[in-house]
Amino acid sequence: QKEVEQDPGPLSVPEGAIVSLNCTYSNSAFQYFMWYRQYSRKGPELLMYTYSSGNKEDGRFTAQVDKSSKYISLFIRDSQPSDSATYLCAMNINSGGYQKVTFGIGTKLQVIP
Amino acid sequence: ETGVTQSPTHLIKTRGQQVTLRCSSQSGHNTVSWYQQALGQGPQFIFQYYREEENGRGNFPPRFSGLQFPNYSSELNVNALELDDSALYLCASSLYSSGNTIYFGEGSWLTVV
Repeated sequence: QKEVEQDPGPLSVPEGAIVSLNCTYSNSAFQYFMWYRQYSRKGPELLMYTYSSGNKEDGRFTAQVDKSSKYISLFIRDSQPSDSATYLCAMNINSGGYQKVTFGIGTKLQVIP
Repeated sequence: ETGVTQSPTHLIKTRGQQVTLRCSSQSGHNTVSWYQQALGQGPQFIFQYYREEENGRGNFPPRFSGLQFPNYSSELNVNALELDDSALYLCASSLYSSGNTIYFGEGSWLTVV
């Protein structure tokens, strides 16, 4: 079993839709939860990070963490064609400065105009 | 723009050769880590450097090695290249004390033929 499970998609939605992206994880020691956006042939771009269970909002993006269920989500409101990219969930244990980040496989999102 | 720069952006090597990839970390960041991202996969942690020493390593063989310099820039060296080493190699920089603000460069695309 992988430490982080993420549906690779692809996920196609019409412009303006609410997008829900999800990951589950098995390691209860994970402390930080992050979402990265990666455009084709580019490096991952940090979108959001959270530490505790609950919601964190930043513009059209909301990150949600449920540590009891080991489940994290990213919601995108009013989706735009420019949101078309691969979304990677990521998490790590910051133990003594050691910051190994474990990624999901990434979900490919296409927002259709 | 994350401030993490990598070179070269693309390169082609022959099986058995050696390659060196370079990274300049974001200003103020003292920790650098390297990741390998195969096509259609999430990034996989190779190792992390802090104070010019490796202080964490993923499941990669010893032919993957690195250096960190006093200015926090870094190199990834791969010896005896194999076809499966073909991937996007990502450098990430962060502060030693921070577990959640890890920024990636655009990566170096390595093709082994």
